[in-house]
Amino acid sequence: NAGVTQTPKFQVLKTGQSMTLQCAQDMNHEYMSWYRQDPGMGLRLIHYSVGAGITDQGEVPNGYNVSRSTTEDFPLRLLSAAPSQTSVYFCASSYSSISGNTIYFGEGSWLTVV
Amino acid sequence: DQQVKQNSPSLSVQEGRISILNCDYTNSMFDYFLWYKKYPAEGPTFLISISSIKDKNEDGRFTVFLNKSAKHLSLHIVPSQPGDSAVYFCAASQLSNDYKLSFGAGTTVTVRA
Repeated sequence: NAGVTQTPKFQVLKTGQSMTLQCAQDMNHEYMSWYRQDPGMGLRLIHYSVGAGITDQGEVPNGYNVSRSTTEDFPLRLLSAAPSQTSVYFCASSYSSISGNTIYFGEGSWLTVV
Repeated sequence: DQQVKQNSPSLSVQEGRISILNCDYTNSMFDYFLWYKKYPAEGPTFLISISSIKDKNEDGRFTVFLNKSAKHLSLHIVPSQPGDSAVYFCAASQLSNDYKLSFGAGTTVTVRA
C-alpha cells in the first residue's frame, strides 16, 4: 500500500453529522478514486478523478462529495451521514499506462454511523 | 447488477496444494482483469493482471487464465502457502478507462498446515 495515506482509520458518527475522509498520495498519480466495501459486495466505486480539477461519479455516489484541488489530495465528504454509509472506505490512485493501470489502495477507513 | 461475480465465498486448501479461484463477468466491454489480495484491516494489494489479448499470465506461484468466450477467468496459486490465507478479489475494467474497476465479492482462502 505504498504511497496512499488515508485518515482517519476509524470514525464513529451520529446520523446527520458531516465529516471528511482525507486521502493523499505521493506518487504523482493522475488518477484517484474512492471505493466502499460492504459485506458480500466487494468494492464499489463512489467517485473518481482523472486529474486536478476533474471529478466524476462512480457507481454509488449519492450522499458523498469530492474535490481535487491538487494532484496529491482527494478528500471524500459525507454531507449528512446515514446508517447506510456504515462501511469501509478505500482511497486509490493510479497512473496511465498503455499496458493497463495498477491501482494502489490505501489501508482503509472504518466508518460507523449510529 | 454485479458485473463481476465470484461464486465461491470461501476455499480451504492444504499447504503445498493448488488453489484455484474462479471469476465470471458479464460485461463484454471488459478487456483488462486484475486480482487483488486483502488481509484483514489492510487495503487490497495488487497481485496479477491480464489483458484480453492474452489467455494466460504467470508471475511466480500465481497464474491467471482468461477464457474470453466464456467470460471467465481463474487464478491458480501453486504451491499454496500459509501466507496466502487472505481474501482474493477479482476486478475488471476497460483499458480505455482502467482507473474504474468493477470488483467481485471476494473469495476467502484458508491454507491449512
